[in-house]
Amino acid sequence: DTEVTQTPKHLVMGMTNKKSLKCEQHMGHRAMYWYKQKAKKPPELMFVYSYEKLSINESVPSRFSPECPNSSLLNLHLHALQPEDSALYLCASSPIGQVLGGYTFGSGTRLTVV
Amino acid sequence: AQSVTQPDIHITVSEGASLELRCNYSYGATPYLFWYVQSPGQGLQLLLKYFSGDTLVQGIKGFEAEFKRSQSSFNLRKPSVHWSDAAEYFCAVWDNDMRFGAGTRLTVKP
Repeated sequence: DTEVTQTPKHLVMGMTNKKSLKCEQHMGHRAMYWYKQKAKKPPELMFVYSYEKLSINESVPSRFSPECPNSSLLNLHLHALQPEDSALYLCASSPIGQVLGGYTFGSGTRLTVV
Repeated sequence: AQSVTQPDIHITVSEGASLELRCNYSYGATPYLFWYVQSPGQGLQLLLKYFSGDTLVQGIKGFEAEFKRSQSSFNLRKPSVHWSDAAEYFCAVWDNDMRFGAGTRLTVKP
């Protein structure tokens, strides 16, 4: 299995809702990442998990709350989002200390905040 | 911190024509460089990578890239473009995390 699977593919939520994005990989990668990508822009790093521990938080607002319950799963919990948070949210994974293979990306969750 | 610059926001080429997408990096030593492709609404797919050794690297889908230290460049090339190559292309450098250039959107004319 050489894929990163993200669910749901599309999500529409109100500003008072609570929702979660899910990411799963079975490649044995111990580093997992959340990126945010606005239209016509490059992906921007949000969070990095290494060995299921948060290692990088790029000053992301607290309305985004990541969680890594095990080595295969990565969640992003969303609460009280703003319309400007609408974007494509990408999950990626890689082996720790082995960047030579690049990152493997999921297809993303298209989030619309109304 | 290392960074990459993609000077061209949008490029249009005719199907069957050759393609070159530009990428410049800023780093004194040999960087870890990548090219990714993103189709609309999709995630990023790794095309190729360079770390050391042979400066001409081959990737998937018929793409290649050449690392030129004298020009601080890592340009992506394809000899004959297909309509399915229309997508967004990102050059990236790894510096404790993957840092992307602004991207170049490729349009392919029939």
